[in-house]
Amino acid sequence: GAVVSQHPSWVICKSGTSVKIECRSLDFQATTMFWYRQFPKQSLMLMATSNEGSKATYEQGVEKDKFLINHASLTLSTLTVTSAHPEDSSFYICSARDWGNTEAFFGQGTRLTVV
Amino acid sequence: GIQVEQSPPDLILQEGANSTLRCNFSDSVNNLQWFHQNPWGQLINLFYIPSGTKQNGRLSATTVATERYSLLYISSSQTTDSGVYFCAVELDFNKFYFGSGTKLNVKP
Repeated sequence: GAVVSQHPSWVICKSGTSVKIECRSLDFQATTMFWYRQFPKQSLMLMATSNEGSKATYEQGVEKDKFLINHASLTLSTLTVTSAHPEDSSFYICSARDWGNTEAFFGQGTRLTVV
Repeated sequence: GIQVEQSPPDLILQEGANSTLRCNFSDSVNNLQWFHQNPWGQLINLFYIPSGTKQNGRLSATTVATERYSLLYISSSQTTDSGVYFCAVELDFNKFYFGSGTKLNVKP
């Protein structure tokens, strides 16, 4: 299957700082990438959908000014958590699919801890 | 919105046992996938199965789209099968909805 790489795998940051998470499709071009958030012992919740070269579409209740998404190329999407607070601590997972493929592939996730 | 229900929520097996996990969904879907989330959080694609039956080694899956459910079979379970199993359905293009998962613990 296709490979989606996410970096970093884990990050600890101070409250008030910003953190950038990268999601790369390694062997295919991802016209669409998705960002999910997972709280401990819970399921994945879709945060936003990003399409290459256009603005991301955010799900209801997700603050777009706090969670900045950029999909500047067909192989890279970034999620920036701005002015992070402890309540932003969570597991963030990206997924991607290419134009001709209906199957979505997931990155290994990033565990964010804000102290 | 669409409801995706997985059962059982928790499952404890002895190594070597077989199990069936179920995913029910409340609306017609375009896509259904099964995933295994390992203890480190990584999501691993198991099956892309909007309908029909597929098998991959000790795992197999069946989706009956007309009756809105999917089953994941695990045979001869191993300790490495432990983790959380999610099904996810796609209603509208690019909108995936995840079930709450089945947490599997396979004991040696």
